[in-house]
Amino acid sequence: AQSVTQLDSHVSVSEGTPVLLRCNYSSSYSPSLFWYVQHPNKGLQLLLKYTSAATLVKGINGFEAEFKKSETSFHLTKPSAHMSDAAEYFCVVSFGGYQKVTFGTGTKLQVIP
Amino acid sequence: DTGVSQDPRHKITKRGQNVTFRCDPISEHNRLYWYRQTLGQGPEFLTYFQNEAQLEKSRLLSDRFSAERPKGSFSTLEIQRTEQGDSAMYLCASSLEHSNQPQHFGDGTRLSIL
Repeated sequence: AQSVTQLDSHVSVSEGTPVLLRCNYSSSYSPSLFWYVQHPNKGLQLLLKYTSAATLVKGINGFEAEFKKSETSFHLTKPSAHMSDAAEYFCVVSFGGYQKVTFGTGTKLQVIP
Repeated sequence: DTGVSQDPRHKITKRGQNVTFRCDPISEHNRLYWYRQTLGQGPEFLTYFQNEAQLEKSRLLSDRFSAERPKGSFSTLEIQRTEQGDSAMYLCASSLEHSNQPQHFGDGTRLSIL
């Protein structure tokens, strides 16, 4: 069975400071891992994906994530938060030929001016 | 690539009515997924198609729900005899075939049951 845990339901940072959104996963197989962002009343936009190539993955809008197998983690980071980063972020794990995915419960990021 | 489009964006209806939503996936994507998302929660898987074949349905998909993808392109999700608990955002996603291919989401249809 696979599962994903987002450790913080809300994170608040000041504009210009680093962002860290935490995600731990559980999977019996080598997983594919994704981070998505969702702005209010919108669908989910892919930020980045890990698919067993480089463990440090760079995504859009300055975000990156590091796959750490020993810690079963895939935390999302950004060096400097921007007001437009305020949104909800979902960590997603998938495996298997038919690509069943499991979503985390989401982390709401608040950026304070 | 015009992205995944969903129609309508919003639907308000009275309890007991039937509703139908449409999803147009990215044209070269053979996989199509439906999810339901309630306030403050992540998306929950409902069902998934590979081409025109419906390969998996969640326990969440009661017999009032039916989904089709008749020609392997667009899909419809119908809810019959709607209930208050059906109020949610219904998201559609599509992808290429492989577990490492990300799903691309539409902006969803928000359903409100009066």
